[in-house]
Amino acid sequence: GENVEQHPSTLSVQEGDSAVIKCTYSDSASNYFPWYKQELGKRPQLIIDIRSNVGEKKDQRIAVTLNKTAKHFSLHITETQPEDSAVYFCAASRRNTGNQFYFGTGTSLTVIP
Amino acid sequence: DTEVTQTPKHLVMGMTNKKSLKCEQHMGHRAMYWYKQKAKKPPELMFVYSYEKLSINESVPSRFSPECPNSSLLNLHLHALQPEDSALYLCASSHGGGGTDTQYFGPGTRLTVL
Repeated sequence: GENVEQHPSTLSVQEGDSAVIKCTYSDSASNYFPWYKQELGKRPQLIIDIRSNVGEKKDQRIAVTLNKTAKHFSLHITETQPEDSAVYFCAASRRNTGNQFYFGTGTSLTVIP
Repeated sequence: DTEVTQTPKHLVMGMTNKKSLKCEQHMGHRAMYWYKQKAKKPPELMFVYSYEKLSINESVPSRFSPECPNSSLLNLHLHALQPEDSALYLCASSHGGGGTDTQYFGPGTRLTVL
């Protein structure tokens, strides 16, 4: 089955700096890669996703890049704000697996004001 | 309605109790999921229903029993739970169950087993 690794497990940045979280996956057939943000005590919320036919996707301060050859994808947050503090999970999935998501282990991001 | 709702928000139960968790969505999604999540860990998949049929059961103990009465509702029946079952139980839904569909999560039920 698929194995998704996520690094780093914790990340602290100063407000206004950029944050980068990286994930690698093992199954070359994986073709959908969502990123979820989970604030303390709240539900995981989709913040951005990318499909394997695209190399990069951007939404305001958030971007995701995908390198299919190397089987890794990354979340980039620019101009970080204290409200970006949360746990971030990456995931991978592919067709014909019942839409099963394989989650990374999570990154706890702290933005220091 | 673009949300997944779950009730109750919190549940405390003894090991001999029987209780149920409920999940509802009105987005016309045909796949629904139960996850268990421990603090600061990723969600662990328990069950997947696709078009109201159980399609994935991730070797979950029989003390957890899922039910999908219709395409909008998903229940999780709990019986004879153990303290280690204390966790956040998340429901999610997606457009279909064929793969690569975005999953939308409910707010969860915080379960404590005494």
